[in-house]
Amino acid sequence: NAGVTQTPKFRILKIGQSMTLQCTQDMNHNYMYWYRQDPGMGLKLIYYSVGAGITDKGEVPNGYNVSRSTTEDFPLRLELAAPSQTSVYFCASRQGSTSGANVLTFGAGSRLTVL
Amino acid sequence: AQKVTQAQTEISVVEKEDVTLDCVYETRDTTYYLFWYKQPPSGELVFLIRRNSFDEQNEISGRYSWNFQKSTSSFNFTITASQVVDSAVYFCALSEMNYGGATNKLIFGTGTLLAVQP
Repeated sequence: NAGVTQTPKFRILKIGQSMTLQCTQDMNHNYMYWYRQDPGMGLKLIYYSVGAGITDKGEVPNGYNVSRSTTEDFPLRLELAAPSQTSVYFCASRQGSTSGANVLTFGAGSRLTVL
Repeated sequence: AQKVTQAQTEISVVEKEDVTLDCVYETRDTTYYLFWYKQPPSGELVFLIRRNSFDEQNEISGRYSWNFQKSTSSFNFTITASQVVDSAVYFCALSEMNYGGATNKLIFGTGTLLAVQP
């Protein structure tokens, strides 16, 4: 099993450009998440999804969009990139449950720099 | 509102010292889960432990131990006889539960950078 796969690992964008961070998981997990990690700030939730066709905003959704057309894929789109979006992005997934007990499996991260 | 506080930004110890990483949380839920994750210099996030709010027993796994105290809303993590390989950022996290909404978002603290010197 590959687990959670994120691409690209590194990307440099110019201000105003757009791009999509790809995330795919092969564990048949219903729940998927996008977090961003800024130095000294921990991980902040951007968007999450509880199943195909269902997405919702997290703490810091502005400037991002997501879609969930399949169980496996949860791409994160940055429209009109800004320097404030320079960060490391993590995708994660877990099995479906309302208990909150399930452990998140994280991807390796994508480091994005906006210049 | 749910919140996780890791007041220690950075800790530096010498190998073989014991070290405790503090985690204090806030929640209105009566049922919740607490987690610790490790982020080594390579950057990935590694799950260490999960604890539910009904189980206040301390847990020990090798050199790692966790002390969960609901009375003080704390979930502290102790590494005994630290090693250089323990150098990492450690995150404490709280699972938020929305009944009926099934969102179960994980709220992270800001992390503690542990540097173990040889």
